[in-house]
Amino acid sequence: ETGVTQSPTHLIKTRGQQVTLRCSSQSGHNTVSWYQQALGQGPQFIFQYYREEENGRGNFPPRFSGLQFPNYSSELNVNALELDDSALYLCASSPSAGYNEQFFGPGTRLTVL
Amino acid sequence: GDSVTQMEGPVTLSEEAFLTINCTYTATGYPSLFWYVQYPGEGLQLLLKATKADDKGSNKGFEATYRKETTSFHLEKGSVQVSDSAVYFCALTNSGGSNYKLTFGKGTLLTVNP
Repeated sequence: ETGVTQSPTHLIKTRGQQVTLRCSSQSGHNTVSWYQQALGQGPQFIFQYYREEENGRGNFPPRFSGLQFPNYSSELNVNALELDDSALYLCASSPSAGYNEQFFGPGTRLTVL
Repeated sequence: GDSVTQMEGPVTLSEEAFLTINCTYTATGYPSLFWYVQYPGEGLQLLLKATKADDKGSNKGFEATYRKETTSFHLEKGSVQVSDSAVYFCALTNSGGSNYKLTFGKGTLLTVNP
């Protein structure tokens, strides 16, 4: 059984640019959540997608947006990058939105210069 | 809103020492509680969980008991190993909403020396 995978592993962007991060959920999982982990901090919930629809959002501005595809993989898009967006972005999947355990991928390290 | 407060680190122990990492929470309803571990350069791995009061989660020698009266979920291990060196996160999910977002503490860095 393949776990959660994320790409790319590392990414360097400059302020004002746009970025897309990708996540493939674990087999059989239809729910994907995204988290931002700043250096030395705990992960913060960005949003969750369940069966291709947004199913809850944390305290992040609209320039953070996402998609979920019919195969339940997902993208996180961030527009107008700011220096504070530098972080580890974690994707987690679960068998359904009502399942209280999430399985994490290795993350994408984004550096904004 | 929901929140998790965990012991500030870093924590440095010698091999075979006893470990306690304190975690308290604030939440409405009946949250589920988790400990996640993050090894250097990696994502999060679920270490253990408890879904109702007085449940004890355990895995790899680590234990934590869900104490509703003290709103706590302290992580313990009787004898740590060098390989336990990692960052440990206490977290909760709350069934009050339509999704089970995780709310995390800030993490505690544990270093175990030989």
